[in-house]
Amino acid sequence: DAKTTQPTSMDCAEGRAANLPCNHSTISGNEYVYWYRQIHSQGPQYIIHGLKNNETNEMASLIITEDRKSSTLILPHATLRDTAVYYCIVRLFSGAGSYQLTFGKGTKLSVIP
Amino acid sequence: DTAVSQTPKYLVTQMGNDKSIKCEQNLGHDTMYWYKQDSKKFLKIMFSYNNKELIINETVPNRFSPKSPDKAHLNLHINSLELGDSAVYFCASSLSPKNIQYFGAGTRLSVL
Repeated sequence: DAKTTQPTSMDCAEGRAANLPCNHSTISGNEYVYWYRQIHSQGPQYIIHGLKNNETNEMASLIITEDRKSSTLILPHATLRDTAVYYCIVRLFSGAGSYQLTFGKGTKLSVIP
Repeated sequence: DTAVSQTPKYLVTQMGNDKSIKCEQNLGHDTMYWYKQDSKKFLKIMFSYNNKELIINETVPNRFSPKSPDKAHLNLHINSLELGDSAVYFCASSLSPKNIQYFGAGTRLSVL
């Protein structure tokens, strides 16, 4: 799996958009970008994933650059409950290489009242 | 209804004991996993079973033995517990081919 680089921590004001960047310059053509988060003392939670097009769901938006070397997770209106560690993970979508999630250190997002 | 459930939530035991952690999923998934999160908060895959067959077995001491009686269950048995086994253990499940993983709430194991 390609390695990812994320900032260690970020702050965001409540109600504002939280933009979490991720660099994955060694991503290969058939690897997807996944985002998970872990709220304190809970199990990780899937947020969103994408290949090259921008994606949106009820939780967040994922913007992937045209060269696919970086991406940004956007939480449009951050709430205090979004305070968590956010993990950007690159891996295959299906097949033998798709089973393993390799978690890095992630970004600790603190939403401030 | 809890999708991925682990029992117990907390486990405190003495060195040298043998213990088991149970995991059950009611999502109809075909793949289940065990992850370990250590005191530095790093999450690492330990095992993965797809349709009851072992597909991932990371470098884990053979004191750890997963058992999958059916697709809905993946239990983790640990023999001769050591201090370094203290961690939070997470179970997860997914459905091929998407393999989006859904995690349980974790089991906090403390070895004294």
